[in-house]
Amino acid sequence: AQKITQTQPGMFVQEKEAVTLDCTYDTSDPSYGLFWYKQPSSGEMIFLIYQGSYDQQNATEGRYSLNFQKARKSANLVISASQLGDSAMYFCAMREKAPREYGNKLVFGAGTILRVKS
Amino acid sequence: GAVVSQHPSWVICKSGTSVKIECRSLDFQATTMFWYRQFPKQSLMLMATSNEGSKATYEQGVEKDKFLINHASLTLSTLTVTSAHPEDSSFYICSASRDRVPEQYFGPGTRLTVT
Repeated sequence: AQKITQTQPGMFVQEKEAVTLDCTYDTSDPSYGLFWYKQPSSGEMIFLIYQGSYDQQNATEGRYSLNFQKARKSANLVISASQLGDSAMYFCAMREKAPREYGNKLVFGAGTILRVKS
Repeated sequence: GAVVSQHPSWVICKSGTSVKIECRSLDFQATTMFWYRQFPKQSLMLMATSNEGSKATYEQGVEKDKFLINHASLTLSTLTVTSAHPEDSSFYICSASRDRVPEQYFGPGTRLTVT
C-alpha cells in the first residue's frame, strides 16, 4: 500500500504568490516524522522542513510552513512569496518508528514539479 | 554542518565492468547511511541501509551480489555496481543520518551511464 501520496504531478505559481503542495500519508504507527525535500535540476536533495507526529504546532522554516492535519493524515507544504529559484521537484517523505530510533528509512512520495512563473 | 559528499559525481563505464561510488559524511559521524536510486522524473527508491561495521540491509528486489555495499567507517560507505549493464544506468544518491537528529542528509548524487 502506498504510504505517501502526492496527487499533484505538476504545479505552476506566479512569482511572489503562495503555493500549497499536497501530501497525504498512511501509517498505523503513532510515532512518525514527516519531511519535505526540494530537488532542483542539479539533483541534490535539499531538506526543507520536518514535522514530528507529536509536535503540537505546525513547523515553519522561513518561507516554508507545514500544514499538519493529523486527523486527515495530511502534511501539506506551503511556500510563501514564491521565487524563481523555487522551481524544482518537491518530495514529501515519512519516517516511521519511535523518535529515538533516528536513522530509520524514509518513504518518499512521487513528487511534485513546481514551476514559478515571472 | 552536516555535509555529505559523493564521488564521482558522474561516471561512464562499459557494460560488464564494475564501478564504485563513495559516500562520505564530512563533518559528522553517520550512524546509518542509505543508498537510493532514482530514474528520470521519478521518486527515490531505497536500495539498502547500512550501519558501520555490519552488513547492509537490502530492500526487496535489490540484488545483493550486484550492488555491494561496504560501510567501513562512521564517515564512509561505498556502493559497488558489479558487472554493470545499461539498465543499471541511473542516478544514485546516498544519505546519512546521525543520532538524535531526525533528517537524513543527502549527497549530491552520482549519475551512472553504462554503455
